[in-house]
Amino acid sequence: AQSVTQLDSQVPVFEEAPVELRCNYSSSVSVYLFWYVQYPNQGLQLLLKYLSGSTLVESINGFEAEFNKSQTSFHLRKPSVHISDTAEYFCAVTLTGNQFYFGTGTSLTVIP
Amino acid sequence: NAGVTQTPKFQVLKTGQSMTLQCAQDMNHEYMSWYRQDPGMGLRLIHYSVGAGITDQGEVPNGYNVSRSTTEDFPLRLLSAAPSQTSVYFCASSGSSGANVLTFGAGSRLTVL
Repeated sequence: AQSVTQLDSQVPVFEEAPVELRCNYSSSVSVYLFWYVQYPNQGLQLLLKYLSGSTLVESINGFEAEFNKSQTSFHLRKPSVHISDTAEYFCAVTLTGNQFYFGTGTSLTVIP
Repeated sequence: NAGVTQTPKFQVLKTGQSMTLQCAQDMNHEYMSWYRQDPGMGLRLIHYSVGAGITDQGEVPNGYNVSRSTTEDFPLRLLSAAPSQTSVYFCASSGSSGANVLTFGAGSRLTVL
């Protein structure tokens, strides 16, 4: 089975500063990788995904993630965060699309 | 489109009571699933279904039953609630082809006393 490790449970960062949320996965075969975001009292929403092709994927709100097969990582980055980015972020992996494995989440707090 | 609809949003049960969490989607998605979210543990898969009449267990299936009689609905049943089932439950669906992106409901917060 796959597993996902999010190394940081809480990440505080000042507004307009850069941020990186780390995600590592364990799998000996090719997988699909996702980042989901959860705003307070809401369900999860897709932020971005890696299925194949270019290892750098971007979201519409300035986040990007890079798939690194040799390091089995899929870290999420943003060069300049905004107050509205405060949320819980989950990394997820699936091999077949039937069973998704989620990390424990990283709580990003943007400080004014 | 409503997407994925979960009811109820909040529920308080006593130990031993039974209840059903409802989940419905209007996107004609083949795949549906139930997760529970607990602090420090992320989301864990309870049960999933790849189509009407087909269900399978996830990581934490004990204490929960599911059925899939239609493409649209995927209810989660707790036959005898326990305090360990206090959690936030999310239903999610995805199409059988393409990107396998999950669409989540808004969640159901269950407290078992």
